[in-house]
Amino acid sequence: AQKITQTQPGMFVQEKEAVTLDCTYDTSDPSYGLFWYKQPSSGEMIFLIYQGSYDQQNATEGRYSLNFQKARKSANLVISASQLGDSAMYFCAMRGGRGGSYIPTFGRGTSLIVHP
Amino acid sequence: GAVVSQHPSRVICKSGTSVKIECRSLDFQATTMFWYRQFPKQSLMLMATSNEGSKATYEQGVEKDKFLINHASLTLSTLTVTSAHPEDSSFYICSARSDRGAYSNQPQHFGDGTRLSIL
Repeated sequence: AQKITQTQPGMFVQEKEAVTLDCTYDTSDPSYGLFWYKQPSSGEMIFLIYQGSYDQQNATEGRYSLNFQKARKSANLVISASQLGDSAMYFCAMRGGRGGSYIPTFGRGTSLIVHP
Repeated sequence: GAVVSQHPSRVICKSGTSVKIECRSLDFQATTMFWYRQFPKQSLMLMATSNEGSKATYEQGVEKDKFLINHASLTLSTLTVTSAHPEDSSFYICSARSDRGAYSNQPQHFGDGTRLSIL
């Protein structure tokens, strides 16, 4: 079974500072994918970044980077130079690969508030 | 990027009414569609998964006769909340994914959600 754990219900960060949102996972699949989504108050889910279990390098997408530590089973999201528009819920998700469950598992989410 | 359109965005209706929510993938073929329910400040709760050409697979505790899901084509899935009651009021969000080609690196693409309020 797959499990995603986000231990931070809420995080606060000053504008222009960097912030790390934690995500740990558990799976028996050798091949899996990790995703981060942003959900603003309007409700839509916005895909941010993807990390494959066999990827050698940490994923980066603009101000988003994923600190992937496979041995520790963690996939923390790092947002650099926070902006007020980054205030939202952030969900970590995992999907198993071949032979595993293709149904993604979502964490409970972290609410990020960016202060001016 | 891939776009999923969900309609309507907001529904307010009387108790006992049936409500249909549509989810369309606009620029890709969605071999798998997911329907989620989300309560305020909580995570997404998967209701059911539908694969093209087969019946939906419902999660434990989700009434299939209450929440009818039809994956009519590779670009359209509908969720019908039958005889809706106030406890069905929630945020419903669909998601679509193409499972062709690479596997686990395909992200889900979400619709914008439907806020359902039953009076």
